[in-house]
Amino acid sequence: YVLTQPPSVSVAPGQAATITCGGKNIKNRSVAWYQQKPGQAPVLVVYDDTDRPSGIPDRFSGSNSENTASLTISRVEAGDEADYFCQVWDLSSEQWVFGGGTKLTVL
Amino acid sequence: QVQLVQSGGEMKKPGASVKVSCKASGYNFISYGITWVRQAPGRGLEWMGWVSVFSGNTKQAQKFQDRITMTTDTSTNTAYMELKSLTSDDTAVYYCARDLAQSVSYCGFWGQGTQVTVSS
Repeated sequence: YVLTQPPSVSVAPGQAATITCGGKNIKNRSVAWYQQKPGQAPVLVVYDDTDRPSGIPDRFSGSNSENTASLTISRVEAGDEADYFCQVWDLSSEQWVFGGGTKLTVL
Repeated sequence: QVQLVQSGGEMKKPGASVKVSCKASGYNFISYGITWVRQAPGRGLEWMGWVSVFSGNTKQAQKFQDRITMTTDTSTNTAYMELKSLTSDDTAVYYCARDLAQSVSYCGFWGQGTQVTVSS
């Protein structure tokens, strides 16, 4: 199962950023999103399409429909600059699959 | 608080094996599974496998099926990942991660990563 993410997204501070994750009938799967800053381990920011772990600001939100899942970061801050990866469980191969990642640049 | 502390960096020659440890604290170790993920230089995340600490059952990525062994030691709250027959393509940072919640195997808590370098 292949997940396709844009290599990069740029946004001005205070604006909203949307990062997409394309996959065949992805709406039928539960999607997670991870944030990774340079030199650090990833951090789970959204799981089960729309849920946030404890401590993740509500500026981070997820959605999932048809063939595209999305992570939206509202009121973007400089500290949101990072790589973002989507993840789904592939039933056919019984393994987790990650998207290639999207570098979010805050202008 | 939940903490996962991984072993230090390793330098290995092609054909060798590496064993990375992940010592857990701050929670009931047996109640949550452990996932292993790696990241080659400048690349994305790659799921390697998952181990149930409770049962010892494992799931691994088909790519690593013949080379990976994931184990846990409940007496020391430590998980281990051994990768055999290393090549230069295995040069990467290796992460362990704990399930977000019981029976919820998203990677909710991560170790700091272990650099493994394979070079002759």
